[in-house]
Amino acid sequence: DAEITQSPRHKITETGRQVTLACHQTWNHNNMFWYRQDLGHGLRLIHYSYGVQDTNKGEVSDGYSVSRSNTEDLPLTLESAASSQTSVYFCASSDRASGNTIYFGEGSWLTVV
Amino acid sequence: SQQGEEDPQALSIQEGENATMNCSYKTSINNLQWYRQNSGRGLVHLILIRSNEREKHSGRLRVTLDTSKKSSSLLITASRAADTASYFCAYHGSSNTGKLIFGQGTTLQVKP
Repeated sequence: DAEITQSPRHKITETGRQVTLACHQTWNHNNMFWYRQDLGHGLRLIHYSYGVQDTNKGEVSDGYSVSRSNTEDLPLTLESAASSQTSVYFCASSDRASGNTIYFGEGSWLTVV
Repeated sequence: SQQGEEDPQALSIQEGENATMNCSYKTSINNLQWYRQNSGRGLVHLILIRSNEREKHSGRLRVTLDTSKKSSSLLITASRAADTASYFCAYHGSSNTGKLIFGQGTTLQVKP
C-alpha cells in the first residue's frame, strides 16, 4: 500500500543546532506539505511544494527550509533550532487525482531544549 | 489569518448520543473537508463536500455546507467511544491550489 512516512518520530535537540526531518511518500503525489501543530493554533502550514524543484513558503516559514529534488521526498530543515520550534510536525501529500484530499504522515515530535 | 474557526473547542457526550461540530471559514472555497485525528496520530480524511453541495452523508457522518454563511457542520450520529478524537475542518481557497487551510479543531470525548 502507498504511504507517507516521517523520521525521526521523536527527537530532542539543543538550541542552535540544525535539524532535518525527513518525509517520504510512495503515493507519487505532486503536492507535498509540512505543517506544525501547536495547542491553541491548530495546524499551520510551514512550506509546500507542487513538484520537483518547486518550493513555497507557508504562513510560518521563518527558520525553516525545504528542498524537493525528487517526487517522493520533502525534507524539512530547521537551520538553527529555537525553543519556539518545539512542536509536532506533520508531512502530507496530495494531488488532483486524489481530489486534493491530503494524506498525512504520523508526525514528528521535536523538542528543542 | 485565513485560518477557520471551529466550535465548540471541546465536546463531551455519552455513547449513543449525536455530536455536532461547527466550522466557520473566511474565504471563498472550492471544497471543504473534515479530518479526524486520534491522540498522537496523524490526521485522516473523513469526508469532502464541494462548494455546490449542501449536504453529504458517509455512514454515521453527515456534513452540511452553507456558503452564504461561510459555515459547515459535521454531525456524528449514534456516537461510539471509538469516535473519541479531534476533528478538523479544512478548505481550499477558490484558487484550489492544493493547499489546505485548517480550523483549530474540536476535541470530542465519547464516554462509554
